[in-house]
Amino acid sequence: DVQLVESGGALVQPGGSLRLSCAASGFTFSDYWMTWVRQAPAKGLEWVANINYDGTERHYLDSVKGRFTISRDNAQKSLYLQMNTLRAEDTGVYYCARGQHKFAYWGQGTLVTVSS
Amino acid sequence: QSALTQPASVSGSPGQSITISCTGTSSDVGGYNLVSWFQQYPGKAPKLMIYEVSNRPSGVSNRFSGSKSGNTASLTISGLQAEDEADYYCSSYKDSRGVFGTGTKVTVL
Repeated sequence: DVQLVESGGALVQPGGSLRLSCAASGFTFSDYWMTWVRQAPAKGLEWVANINYDGTERHYLDSVKGRFTISRDNAQKSLYLQMNTLRAEDTGVYYCARGQHKFAYWGQGTLVTVSS
Repeated sequence: QSALTQPASVSGSPGQSITISCTGTSSDVGGYNLVSWFQQYPGKAPKLMIYEVSNRPSGVSNRFSGSKSGNTASLTISGLQAEDEADYYCSSYKDSRGVFGTGTKVTVL
């Protein structure tokens, strides 16, 4: 069975950093683009970033460009999101999803709270 | 990166059909046949219901169907059931990125 398990969410102060991880299993990780999607409390889904099969192509939401970095380790079947200079508006549940647009599989999400 | 526009809420009685619209631009919804629809219950991860405008993943009820005309995509739920009460989001491919809709709360009366 396909599984995506996020971790790394925490309470962090504004301006702080956090690294999220997503462990994948049940499929050939290197065959798929991967995407991070977030959801602020009581708000809608927001596309954050994606990365291609071998990490040579990455794309970001304008508001996180220069602050967030998406990466992957195909040997470890893991996806990462390094988040720097965090702002209150970055608060929310962060999901990893398989694919570039179909998003057939999602993790359970990890909560990031940016607050002093 | 503006969100796609969906109605905030749609309601219907059991057995009825409802349609949720998703309006974008020629750069996203209108430009590609890569629109997906997701169902989300409170506190849960989204679930893929429709992909590539009108395709249903294995295991999704055939009461769910998708279509597109120009810059607007639509999700139709026929034979509405109590379990369909949830939030629904559309998404579209856009220039190697993605964009989600604003979300629609479906209420079964």
